[in-house]
Amino acid sequence: DSGVTQTPKHLITATGQRVTLRCSPRSGDLSVYWYQQSLDQGLQFLIQYYNGEERAKGNILERFSAQQFPDLHSELNLSSLELGDSALYFCASSASVGGWTDTQYFGPGTRLTVL
Amino acid sequence: AQKITQTQPGMFVQEKEAVTLDCTYDTSDPSYGLFWYKQPSSGEMIFLIYQGSYDQQNATEGRYSLNFQKARKSANLVISASQLGDSAMYFCAYGATNKLIFGTGTLLAVQP
Repeated sequence: DSGVTQTPKHLITATGQRVTLRCSPRSGDLSVYWYQQSLDQGLQFLIQYYNGEERAKGNILERFSAQQFPDLHSELNLSSLELGDSALYFCASSASVGGWTDTQYFGPGTRLTVL
Repeated sequence: AQKITQTQPGMFVQEKEAVTLDCTYDTSDPSYGLFWYKQPSSGEMIFLIYQGSYDQQNATEGRYSLNFQKARKSANLVISASQLGDSAMYFCAYGATNKLIFGTGTLLAVQP
């Protein structure tokens, strides 16, 4: 158990809908990262927050947004969902701002299925 | 741009034998980290081992060791005394500022 929690574990929804994925980092970690894992794209970095502020953006679609709250939990909002958004979404956390020495610990993931 | 390559889509190993999973990377950064993660069929990503670009010694964590050859830009994972529970997907990742860049993974099957 990495100490990172994600809810829900599974999510099934329809095209055009909006969903929210939730993540709580390990105790003491200030950075939260979101990744998407799909068969065609592999594991892709989406976005990072550090202590409530956005720090880095990857291949995140405009339909997707995220935030980190004062208690450091984070939410990833996915809207106008398409079939291609079906994927495993991971949250990870690390202790500091995210340098090359900063180990990221992953949550169990949320499996999103868009029908 | 940084790139990670794992050329072995799948591998078999006999229980109790050692296995090496290959990983090469391409970067012009002077400082970087290399990470290995394990993803069992249940889906979670488990951190295994880390190597910093300035580390003189190869990293080891229990049965896992990282064969780091900086000049060749390779960071191979060695699993000693394989166990059935080692059957999983293994990902090599390059630690850039603020994110990890993952390879495509190697599916390891440990046979009894």
